Amino acid sequence: AQKITQTQPGMFVQEKEAVTLDCTYDTSDQSYGLFWYKQPSSGEMIFLIYQGSYDEQNATEGRYSLNFQKARKSANLVISASQLGDSAMYFCAMREGPNNDMRFGAGTRLTVKP
Amino acid sequence: ETGVTQTPRHLVMGMTNKKSLKCEQHLGHNAMYWYKQSAKKPLELMFVYSLEERVENNSVPSRFSPECPNSSHLFLHLHTLQPEDSALYLCASSSGTSGYNEQFFGPGTRLTVL
Repeated sequence: AQKITQTQPGMFVQEKEAVTLDCTYDTSDQSYGLFWYKQPSSGEMIFLIYQGSYDEQNATEGRYSLNFQKARKSANLVISASQLGDSAMYFCAMREGPNNDMRFGAGTRLTVKP
Repeated sequence: ETGVTQTPRHLVMGMTNKKSLKCEQHLGHNAMYWYKQSAKKPLELMFVYSLEERVENNSVPSRFSPECPNSSHLFLHLHTLQPEDSALYLCASSSGTSGYNEQFFGPGTRLTVL
């Protein structure tokens, strides 16, 4: 069964506007970590933001924030003030407890329009 | 060099060739990973090494053979590959293997099997 679901294959946003990329996950563990990565066309996966299952506050890193709704098992990424350089694939991932295995979603391709 | 480096960046090989992918991390991490990223499929974990010992092998065919001689280097030896093995192969490292350790990725090797 798919552990990480990203339902938006592609998203468009106007430059300087905010955009939300959806991610839902499935786990029975109490302890897990949620991650968002950006993959530009160059191929490198760039770590953006992390949310622990026990963190009470939503994670923020600059223009990135994670809207963590534990009961709904969702971990949406919010990018504020979009820039042209934000155009890329975005992947949501989860790691359960002490498990080595990081599961990735299928990704969302974000295109920022000038 | 900083971060995680991978060589070569591009590789074209025939089905009877033998080649190796190299990954090096300069972050002082003790865990390293190989992932395969095919078109239209989620990122797939192939191998995990923790403290130079293989701790996970996700049912990867034997034509892929990993080697981790020390905590900074990881190799993926390839032999008698199939065209469906063409993909982007990403290496990553982390400071531990728990759910709270983000992974840092290299730029990837784009492999084409003819």
